[in-house]
Amino acid sequence: GDSVTQMEGPVTLSEEAFLTINCTYTATGYPSLFWYVQYPGEGLQLLLKATKADDKGSNKGFEATYRKETTSFHLEKGSVQVSDSAVYFCALSQVGSGGSNYKLTFGKGTLLTVNP
Amino acid sequence: KAGVTQTPRYLIKTRGQQVTLSCSPISGHRSVSWYQQTPGQGLQFLFEYFSETQRNKGNFPGRFSGRQFSNSRSEMNVSTLELGDSALYLCASSPDRGSYGYTFGSGTRLTVV
Repeated sequence: GDSVTQMEGPVTLSEEAFLTINCTYTATGYPSLFWYVQYPGEGLQLLLKATKADDKGSNKGFEATYRKETTSFHLEKGSVQVSDSAVYFCALSQVGSGGSNYKLTFGKGTLLTVNP
Repeated sequence: KAGVTQTPRYLIKTRGQQVTLSCSPISGHRSVSWYQQTPGQGLQFLFEYFSETQRNKGNFPGRFSGRQFSNSRSEMNVSTLELGDSALYLCASSPDRGSYGYTFGSGTRLTVV
């Protein structure tokens, strides 16, 4: 079945450092890929998405590129802020591949802490 | 535009009881999904409804059930609660196809004692 593997962390960075959170996936067909963020005590917020190979999703300084050849969707940000401290989840959805897999498959999540 | 609303936010139940959680999707969204989040298992898919029909179901026992009403609001029910059912239950809505992304509610924190 489908699966998502991401670095589990925790990741601790200083403010203005460069961030990379690795995410790779296993899936049949052509999944859509997502990054979600969860702040303490809250639900998940969609951070960015990409629906086909070579698409780049971006939002709030975060970027991720859909790499079909390496089955990866790594999250990057050039300069993190204290307010970016949260748990980040990589996920995929098979909608659009002709199947009936109307769900998100998540990685385990990566806790990011940014210190001032 | 109102987001996804889940009620109640917190719930404490006793083993053996049953519980019903409610989710109101974003206006116009016809797909509603439910997920269970625990520290050990992470985020696991429970089921997804579209136009009052269950389209997909995860690997959970039959004690977990759900339904969707004609106004797209959804409820999930857990019967004969077990301690292991303690979790954050998240509801997500989408216009239809998942490629739009899913919008999540803040969740219901269920504690079974």
